[in-house]
Amino acid sequence: DSGVTQTPKHLITATGQRVTLRCSPRSGDLSVYWYQQSLDQGLQFLIQYYNGEERAKGNILERFSAQQFPDLHSELNLSSLELGDSALYFCASSVSTGELFFGEGSRLTVL
Amino acid sequence: DAKTTQPPSMDCAEGRAANLPCNHSTISGNEYVYWYRQIHSQGPQYIIHGLKNNETNEMASLIITEDRKSSTLILPHATLRDTAVYYCIVRVATGPHLVFGKGTRLSVIA
Repeated sequence: DSGVTQTPKHLITATGQRVTLRCSPRSGDLSVYWYQQSLDQGLQFLIQYYNGEERAKGNILERFSAQQFPDLHSELNLSSLELGDSALYFCASSVSTGELFFGEGSRLTVL
Repeated sequence: DAKTTQPPSMDCAEGRAANLPCNHSTISGNEYVYWYRQIHSQGPQYIIHGLKNNETNEMASLIITEDRKSSTLILPHATLRDTAVYYCIVRVATGPHLVFGKGTRLSVIA
């Protein structure tokens, strides 16, 4: 157990819909990272937040957005969903920017 | 981040040592070598990291060559549960996010 909690674990929705994925970092960790892993694809970095502020942005689509709240939990919002958005979405946290600790992921299926 | 090169796949007999190589010939002086693994669609798991000295923890050992251009992750007694994709990543300790390559798919065989 990494201490990072992601909900929901599984989500099935239709094209065009909007979903929100939630991440609770390890206690005391200020940084939160979001990654996407499509079927048989590598882990793609989406975005990083540090203590509520956006720190770095990767290959995140304009239809996707994220935020980190004062209690340090983070949400990833995915809108106008397409079939290709079906993937595992991982959240990770770190106390500084050393080792990252990953949650078990949210599996999104878009039908 | 400096790029790394890993073999795409390796096999290892259960109970034997698994030695996973990684080349990072363009590593900078302040970049660490990190190893993570991902067991079948689970979240990646941190294993170990090092700068220039060899490191050991309860999971594995990390051997870094003197010129720091390559390293080897050693799982001393591989078990079936060690079957996973292993990622070698180089980055500064206070650097940005991890950049994952394709890693090495290790299959531990009974």
